[in-house]
Amino acid sequence: GQQVMQIPQYQHVQEGEDFTTYCNSSTTLSNIQWYKQRPGGHPVFLIQLVKSGEVKKQKRLTFQFGEAKKNSSLHITATQTTDVGTYFCAEDTTSGTYKYIFGTGTRLKVLA
Amino acid sequence: NAGVTQTPKFQVLKTGQSMTLQCAQDMNHNSMYWYRQDPGMGLRLIYYSASEGTTDKGEVPNGYNVSRLNKREFSLRLESAAPSQTSVYFCASSEAAETKLFFGSGTQLSVL
Repeated sequence: GQQVMQIPQYQHVQEGEDFTTYCNSSTTLSNIQWYKQRPGGHPVFLIQLVKSGEVKKQKRLTFQFGEAKKNSSLHITATQTTDVGTYFCAEDTTSGTYKYIFGTGTRLKVLA
Repeated sequence: NAGVTQTPKFQVLKTGQSMTLQCAQDMNHNSMYWYRQDPGMGLRLIYYSASEGTTDKGEVPNGYNVSRLNKREFSLRLESAAPSQTSVYFCASSEAAETKLFFGSGTQLSVL
């Protein structure tokens, strides 16, 4: 079956440091989504990447989709305490499907 | 707008008991989903409904049944609860395939 590897599992950073989480798939993806879940909360959509090599930015967050559409990354510049939470990628291998497979997530803790 | 509303927020069951988790969305979305979230496992898709009148299995459908009552409502039923079904359950909706998911606040279920 499809494997959704997300690394690292946990990351503790000092406030102001950068953070990156990676999502790697065993199959070529149609598109990928990223979600953030605050502690005790529910996942909230951040962004969707569709094109090979695509790069999108949201303020301090930079999202990349690999050239082969098998991996993706989320980079946060100068982390803040509001960035605390778990970041998930959600992969779609088949165009038009509803079966988004979520990664295991990266839990980010920011130390003030 | 309330978005996606789930009830109940918490539930404790004894092994063998049955119950139904309720979900309703007010965004006129076509598609609805049930996920479960276990520590370290990310979110796993149980069932989804691409449109009113259709339902399909996800990654982990065993032990569950669903009903798409109308366009707004999608319920998840546990006929005979087992301790392995202890989890946080999230309902989600989306406009269509390959569009962002909107999640409810979750139901924390414990089966003793």
